Amino acid sequence: SQQGEEDPQALSIQEGENATMNCSYKTSINNLQWYRQNSGRGLVHLILIRSNEREKHSGRLRVTLDTSKKSSSLLITASRAADTASYFCATDANSGNTPLVFGKGTRLSVIA
Amino acid sequence: EAQVTQNPRYLITVTGKKLTVTCSQNMNHEYMSWYRQDPGLGLRQIYYSMNVEVTDKGDVPEGYKVSRKEKRNFPLILESPSPNQTSLYFCASSLRRLAGGNTGELFFGEGSRLTVL
Repeated sequence: SQQGEEDPQALSIQEGENATMNCSYKTSINNLQWYRQNSGRGLVHLILIRSNEREKHSGRLRVTLDTSKKSSSLLITASRAADTASYFCATDANSGNTPLVFGKGTRLSVIA
Repeated sequence: EAQVTQNPRYLITVTGKKLTVTCSQNMNHEYMSWYRQDPGLGLRQIYYSMNVEVTDKGDVPEGYKVSRKEKRNFPLILESPSPNQTSLYFCASSLRRLAGGNTGELFFGEGSRLTVL
């Protein structure tokens, strides 16, 4: 099944800096979602962007979607230590009855 | 408070001893799903259910069973657990999952860490 792949696998930044994570996928989608996971905890939904949208904002989060390149990016501005977590993209395919497929995640560390 | 509740949160068991991980949601969601999370492999879907009495296999269904007799509950059953089922398991629910695509926001439980010796 198709899978979103996040890049980089790990990212370490200083507090106050911006963090950018990328997700690439293989086939056409209905929507793409980003989730956050604190160590060992359940995933929390951050934002959903539909295939006909190009950009979406939620607080300090900005998500872009480029369907021609089959890629998305998640930008966290003015990062805080509390943003330290793993971030996953998940794609909802535009064919058949396929499940929401998660990538392997980007591990973000924000150093105070 | 809207939530997905899984039990047990932690379990150590032995090979072959049947166990059930319960999952309950209080949001009246139609769609429910089970995932396992393993290092380096991300989240993989085990089974999902689009509504009561409707279940279907995900990517890694072998060794698992599920049932959906009520809308709020979606238990995961391991009839004869083996060590390769040692993993972190998550239940999730969503308002809808239409045939042909379009999954809405998933709400996740806190996870159940299972160790099979």
